[in-house]
Amino acid sequence: RKEVEQDPGPFNVPEGATVAFNCTYSNSASQSFFWYRQDCRKEPKLLMSVYSSGNEDGRFTAQLNRASQYISLLIRDSKLSDSATYLCVVNELRGGNLIFGKGTKLSVKP
Amino acid sequence: EAGVTQFPSHSVIEKGQTVTLRCDPISGHDNLYWYRRVMGKEIKFLLHFVKESKQDESGMPNNRFLAERTGGTYSTLKVQPAELEDSGVYFCASSHGLNTIYFGEGSWLTVV
Repeated sequence: RKEVEQDPGPFNVPEGATVAFNCTYSNSASQSFFWYRQDCRKEPKLLMSVYSSGNEDGRFTAQLNRASQYISLLIRDSKLSDSATYLCVVNELRGGNLIFGKGTKLSVKP
Repeated sequence: EAGVTQFPSHSVIEKGQTVTLRCDPISGHDNLYWYRRVMGKEIKFLLHFVKESKQDESGMPNNRFLAERTGGTYSTLKVQPAELEDSGVYFCASSHGLNTIYFGEGSWLTVV
């Protein structure tokens, strides 16, 4: 079983759509959780951290369910510029050993 | 402020040759990490430096890989001898303490 599993995608959505990504992780002792965004042939960039209480940043909402070991990302009112690969990332220790999912590709079309 | 910079951005070498990748972290970041993504797989952790010390090298695949960070500034990752399965993109990242980890654009390695 993979340590971090994500929807395989790709997700092709029209502008303005709402899209949700899901992710599960295998280690219940995981400490911190993130969504990273990666544009084609670019580096991963932190989109947002994910907290147990849920958190929102503009059009982006992240949720964490520790009991189910499940993380989600909701993007509202999709923009063309949201097209990218979204990586679910987990940190099992308070350090730099980030564990990445394979990513879900999003394409937002006009 | 300059981000994490990596060199070379692309490299094509023959099987059995040696390649050395360099990473310059963000100024002032004590923590430096190496990750890599091979074809069709997820990004995987290789190792973590705190200043010049190896904090965690549990992700290094085998002894053909050698990472150094002399003086606690830039780091090098040497692959010797390179094998076909080493092809992929090698990301360096840095952070200040336990804060956000910033990634470089990666060094794309192709072994033929």
